[in-house]
Amino acid sequence: DGGITQSPKYLFRKEGQNVTLSCEQNLNHDAMYWYRQDPGQGLRLIYYSQIVNDFQKGDIAEGYSVSREKKESFPLTVTSAQKNPTAFYLCASSMAQTETQYFGPGTRLLVL
Amino acid sequence: AQSVTQLDSQVPVFEEAPVELRCNYSSSVSVYLFWYVQYPNQGLQLLLKYLSGSTLVESINGFEAEFNKSQTSFHLRKPSVHISDTAEYFCAVLGTASKLTFGTGTRLQVTL
Repeated sequence: DGGITQSPKYLFRKEGQNVTLSCEQNLNHDAMYWYRQDPGQGLRLIYYSQIVNDFQKGDIAEGYSVSREKKESFPLTVTSAQKNPTAFYLCASSMAQTETQYFGPGTRLLVL
Repeated sequence: AQSVTQLDSQVPVFEEAPVELRCNYSSSVSVYLFWYVQYPNQGLQLLLKYLSGSTLVESINGFEAEFNKSQTSFHLRKPSVHISDTAEYFCAVLGTASKLTFGTGTRLQVTL
């Protein structure tokens, strides 16, 4: 089956800890995205990548980092600099930046 | 800059009644428009999209939306809702710099 997978489904972070969220797609899409969802605020773009080994900051990149070493994978690291990391994180991909985006099932990050 | 407004944060409706979820957007360039649906603790699923051509677009489960350029609207409608339509619905616009901008969402609550 083609699609986007995100793992884990739930993730817990301790104070001062970095955590990495996984996103994998087998749709052969060039573009990939990370969004953060908070209640009542819709989705906000964290980072996006149009091609392997290249990525750009979105609207709320502070406290986050990404890499794009493979076309299929776009992991997101939530660093200790992100002071309010509790949220639902969604990964998406599209053939190109001008094309329809398709979403993974999400990872819920909670701070202990 | 582009923006999306979903004025209704919640819409309660009885089963088999009609429903309209409102979406207005602002953009200085031509846009593509989308409706996504999100069930609890899941990712976003594409419901329907307007890219070009007919201004009335339909989904496979009975929803439809009409692109109205003069009113900058893309309202979502269904003539008869089912309990299973209970979910959160997001309107999104793809325009400036190929960026996808989301509204804050409308929670549709269908009851017997």
